[in-house]
Amino acid sequence: DAGVTQSPTHLIKTRGQQVTLRCSPISGHKSVSWYQQVLGQGPQFIFQYYEKEERGRGNFPDRFSARQFPNYSSELNVNALLLGDSALYLCASSPGGGPSYNEQFFGPGTRLTVL
Amino acid sequence: GESVGLHLPTLSVQEGDNSIINCAYSNSASDYFIWYKQESGKGPQFIIDIRSNMDKRQGQRVTVLLNKTVKHLSLQIAATQPGDSAVYFCAETMGGGSYIPTFGRGTSLIVHP
Repeated sequence: DAGVTQSPTHLIKTRGQQVTLRCSPISGHKSVSWYQQVLGQGPQFIFQYYEKEERGRGNFPDRFSARQFPNYSSELNVNALLLGDSALYLCASSPGGGPSYNEQFFGPGTRLTVL
Repeated sequence: GESVGLHLPTLSVQEGDNSIINCAYSNSASDYFIWYKQESGKGPQFIIDIRSNMDKRQGQRVTVLLNKTVKHLSLQIAATQPGDSAVYFCAETMGGGSYIPTFGRGTSLIVHP
């Protein structure tokens, strides 16, 4: 079975540009979460979606936005990129729907470098 | 002591030894705790979890201990193998259905053959 997939694997942008990252959850999973992992730190929560609705938002500026599609895949958009946005962006999926079904499975991440 | 900046706390062990990785969590209201393993170039992988109403849970070669009095969590790995080399993160969550884990800083485990 395919795990969580993310695209692209690597991306280089310049300051001020916009970027879109994509995530496909495990088949049957309805919840997708996004995390930012800066080198040497643990992942920091950005967004969580369940059944196409935003369920949670972390402490990130409005330059960060996301959405979930009817097939449960998701996109993370970052506008007006800053050097500090350089990080590994992780997507995690879970079955969702209740406390017993919330174990998260992570994808390999997209490495974003902002120059 | 613990390093700052880009340097993760590091634990170096010999193959076959037991490893203990420690974590201090911040929120006394957290009710669910998870250990993740992250290998280079990969996303975090679930290892074991424990609920706040327990103080010990065992898996295959791993044991998690929870001390709520001092808000401390530990991961014990028995007979450590080179394949255990990775960064280990603890995470806490408030539960309540949304399950949004807050990750700690991580410890780098290096296993020498």
